[in-house]
Amino acid sequence: RKEVEQDPGPFNVPEGATVAFNCTYSNSASQSFFWYRQDCRKEPKLLMSVYSSGNEDGRFTAQLNRASQYISLLIRDSKLSDSATYLCVVTAGGSQGNLIFGKGTKLSVKP
Amino acid sequence: DTEVTQTPKHLVMGMTNKKSLKCEQHMGHRAMYWYKQKAKKPPELMFVYSYEKLSINESVPSRFSPECPNSSLLNLHLHALQPEDSALYLCASSPGPWETQYFGPGTRLLVL
Repeated sequence: RKEVEQDPGPFNVPEGATVAFNCTYSNSASQSFFWYRQDCRKEPKLLMSVYSSGNEDGRFTAQLNRASQYISLLIRDSKLSDSATYLCVVTAGGSQGNLIFGKGTKLSVKP
Repeated sequence: DTEVTQTPKHLVMGMTNKKSLKCEQHMGHRAMYWYKQKAKKPPELMFVYSYEKLSINESVPSRFSPECPNSSLLNLHLHALQPEDSALYLCASSPGPWETQYFGPGTRLLVL
């Protein structure tokens, strides 16, 4: 089983749509969880950290289910500028905190 | 300010050349990282420096040599690279080891 799994997409949605990304991770010892976005030929940028209590930042909501080892990202009222690849990222767990990246989910928002 | 800078932005080198990539941050972060990213793949960790000491080397070939002159700077020295080493090289930093990482814009490297 891959360490971090994401649906690669692409997700093609119209402006204004709500879109949800899911991610599962294999290491139950992982402690920290993040969503990064990466635009074409650019660096990954932190979108948000993910907490068990869930967190929201404007149109973006992230949820973590530790029991199911599942992370989600919900984007409401999607904008053209949301088009990017969304990377699910977890720490390796235990004494190792290096980041383990999912392969990313590509989102394309169309007018 | 969460800025990490990298130079150069682009680099073309032959297989016999020696070059260096540079990374700088002035956020007081004590951990810095080098990643390699190929097209349509996620970043792969290469090296981790924690408090200016190399703490992780992810089995990277010796033709890549990292250096951390001080807490703000991280270099990656390149020598005798292969065409398959062509990739985007990303530097990142975090306040402490394994805390939230912030990435620089990367150096796009082409080895001919």
